Amino acid sequence: AQSVAQPEDQVNVAEGNPLTVKCTYSVSGNPYLFWYVQYPNRGLQFLLKYITGDNLVKGSYGFEAEFNKSQTSFHLKKPSALVSDSALYFCAVRVPFSGGYNKLIFGAGTRLAVHP
Amino acid sequence: EAGVTQSPTHLIKTRGQQATLRCSPISGHTSVYWYQQALGLGLQFLLWYDEGEERNRGNFPPRFSGRQFPNYSSELNVNALELEDSALYLCASSNRAEAFFGQGTRLTVV
Repeated sequence: AQSVAQPEDQVNVAEGNPLTVKCTYSVSGNPYLFWYVQYPNRGLQFLLKYITGDNLVKGSYGFEAEFNKSQTSFHLKKPSALVSDSALYFCAVRVPFSGGYNKLIFGAGTRLAVHP
Repeated sequence: EAGVTQSPTHLIKTRGQQATLRCSPISGHTSVYWYQQALGLGLQFLLWYDEGEERNRGNFPPRFSGRQFPNYSSELNVNALELEDSALYLCASSNRAEAFFGQGTRLTVV
């Protein structure tokens, strides 16, 4: 079955330290991968995507993600965390669906807490 | 360019009533997804419409239904509301390459 997994419910990081939010996927073919962020009581905001090309993708707010095909992973990273990065992060993958359509599948989300 | 808009922002209903939530996608997007998010937890997939047709449905009872109009806007209807239907309902529109979300409708059932 095609799926996305975010193995950590919560990640705690001290401000100024690097952060990593993990995502692994199980998809046939070449995946399209996405990261979204959700601040309290808000909708999801698009952060970045990987479709093809360079395995290191840069996105909004200083975030980047590394696509690793052999490990089927797409981890979100930031060199220096800010308290304002504290939010809920979702990984998503686009999978082929019947009729030539594509469907988005989301992971369960990881809550990032950055402490001063 | 306008983003995805959802209305109303907040909705309070009594148990047993019906709720109607609306979503206007980004211009040019034909695909609309609906998700339920309870208590700030993960996204539960509800429904997916593309080009006016229901393409896929999540594991929700039939009292959750919806439709997509010719202009690609969409409605989510929840009949016979139950207390546990209280949640943030998120709509996303997609051009089949990436998806963008609205701010959500907070439904409270009392």
